[in-house]
Amino acid sequence: AQKITQTQPGMFVQEKEAVTLDCTYDTSDPSYGLFWYKQPSSGEMIFLIYQGSYDQQNATEGRYSLNFQKARKSANLVISASQLGDSAMYFCAMREGYTGGFKTIFGAGTRLFVKA
Amino acid sequence: DTAVSQTPKYLVTQMGNDKSIKCEQNLGHDTMYWYKQDSKKFLKIMFSYNNKELIINETVPNRFSPKSPDKAHLNLHINSLELGDSAVYFCASNMAAGELFFGEGSRLTVL
Repeated sequence: AQKITQTQPGMFVQEKEAVTLDCTYDTSDPSYGLFWYKQPSSGEMIFLIYQGSYDQQNATEGRYSLNFQKARKSANLVISASQLGDSAMYFCAMREGYTGGFKTIFGAGTRLFVKA
Repeated sequence: DTAVSQTPKYLVTQMGNDKSIKCEQNLGHDTMYWYKQDSKKFLKIMFSYNNKELIINETVPNRFSPKSPDKAHLNLHINSLELGDSAVYFCASNMAAGELFFGEGSRLTVL
């Protein structure tokens, strides 16, 4: 069963505007973590932001914020003041407990295009 | 110094051959992973080692054999390569429940 769902295969945003990338998840583990990663066309995976399941406040990192709606099981990424360099694939990921450690699984990704 | 380094970055090989990818991390992390990213960019976890012990072994053909000689190294050996093995293979590491630190990826092309 799909545990991380990103419903937007592609998104367009005008430079300097804000954009929201959607992510919903499914888990029965009360302790979990949610991450967003960026993959530019050069291919590397860049960690952006983290939200723990027990965190009361939404995470923020510079222009990135995570809109965490626990009851809805959603963890949307908001990018404010988009820049051309934000054009990339964005992956939502969830970390769950696993026998002997932790396991991080990824959604299918959203490709963001920033228009000048 | 690169935190997580993989070699080689590119492999082009014929079906039926055997190949290995090496990964090293200098972050002092306890856990290392192999992920496969297919042509549609989907990232799938393959294996995870914690302090040299295999803890995650997803449904992966047994042609794939990971080896962790110590907690800073995790290698991936693939036997009898098939066309469907073509992908980018990412090594990653983390400490406990923290974020993953990825290598640059190794692009494998099987002809």
